Amino acid sequence: DGGITQSPKYLFRKEGQNVTLSCEQNLNHDAMYWYRQDPGQGLRLIYYSQIVNDFQKGDIAEGYSVSREKKESFPLTVTSAQKNPTAFYLCASRVQGANYGYTFGSGTRLTVV
Amino acid sequence: GNSVTQMEGPVTLSEEAFLTINCTYTATGYPSLFWYVQYPGEGLQLLLKATKADDKGSNKGFEATYRKETTSFHLEKGSVQVSDSAVYFCAPNDYKLSFGAGTTVTVRA
Repeated sequence: DGGITQSPKYLFRKEGQNVTLSCEQNLNHDAMYWYRQDPGQGLRLIYYSQIVNDFQKGDIAEGYSVSREKKESFPLTVTSAQKNPTAFYLCASRVQGANYGYTFGSGTRLTVV
Repeated sequence: GNSVTQMEGPVTLSEEAFLTINCTYTATGYPSLFWYVQYPGEGLQLLLKATKADDKGSNKGFEATYRKETTSFHLEKGSVQVSDSAVYFCAPNDYKLSFGAGTTVTVRA
């Protein structure tokens, strides 16, 4: 079955270290997205990419970086510049068009200690 | 851009109660509308959708009707179960979307 795979499910890192979260999809979707979710809050858009080799900042891009070298993959790096990186990170993908919703991965919970 | 206003939670219900979560939209034209559900510790799942005015989306006992005259897409379920405890998000179709906080629903046995 097609879907989005995020790994790992749980990730622990020491403060000051960069960490990369993986997101892979086999849905042949053009667009991919990264969101951050904090307890009791909505999903805030970090970065998105509508085609390979192109990506755009979302609402809270500071302290994060991404790449889109392959259609299937959209890794997110949380850098040491991100002041409060502990959160639940969700990756999503979407077919470009009016009638298709977003497909989400199961998320990565990052804890920085 | 397209946006929605969703009723704030939390909402606490007893099993077999009727659930309504209000959602109104502001949009240019009539975009597709979606309801997503997030169970604890998981990502969001598409629950149902409607692609045009007067369309009714339905899934797992949930329904929502795209009403042009009231610009609404309220989610309803006639008899909730404990397993329906989750966070529900209403969203329009958009290529660049930040989801709101959703509505947290807790169903008690």
